[in-house]
Amino acid sequence: EPEVTQTPSHQVTQMGQEVILRCVPISNHLYFYWYRQILGQKVEFLVSFYNNEISEKSEIFDDQFSVERPDGSNFTLKIRSTKLEDSAMYFCASSEGGTGSTIQYFGAGTRLSVL
Amino acid sequence: EDQVTQSPEALRLQEGESSSLNCSYTVSGLRGLFWYRQDPGKGPEFLFTLYSAGEEKEKERLKATLTKKESFLHITAPKPEDSATYLCAVRAASGGSYIPTFGRGTSLIVHP
Repeated sequence: EPEVTQTPSHQVTQMGQEVILRCVPISNHLYFYWYRQILGQKVEFLVSFYNNEISEKSEIFDDQFSVERPDGSNFTLKIRSTKLEDSAMYFCASSEGGTGSTIQYFGAGTRLSVL
Repeated sequence: EDQVTQSPEALRLQEGESSSLNCSYTVSGLRGLFWYRQDPGKGPEFLFTLYSAGEEKEKERLKATLTKKESFLHITAPKPEDSATYLCAVRAASGGSYIPTFGRGTSLIVHP
């Protein structure tokens, strides 16, 4: 069964460092997303991406964040200068369509620990 | 502001003891209500999507229902492997935005 894969599973970084989280969405999907989940809290939307452009972003997704689809298979989330409060699970998701009724499929996540 | 509230926060059941989880929502223009299962340290795994009041979906021991204000996830004769956190998310057509809103989840533990 096709799945969304994320690497690494765990990333440890020092405050102020740049990190890149990587995702390989399901191959025939056209819409890509990043979410985060701080330990013990709810899943929060960060950004959606379609046709090489950001479709929507939340207030969390500030200038420290960027997304890119560098090739035909990868989708990345970059955090330029990490803060302690960026520590969280980051989930990538993908979907065939982009309407409100479309099912999004999630990866297993990358746990980011900022020290 | 759109709100999604799940209850209870935690639920402990004995194997075979049926129960229901609740997801109440206040959104305008619901486009979809989604149930996910999340195991510790894993990503949400899609279970069901419901689009309109009165709709029901079933999968093994799980059945999801939807009204205009809430959704229930009914678990019939649960087994220990049903232990997980169950997440509800809604997507609404709000000014052209489809940003989903998640609830905090219900943590279910099924004891053998």
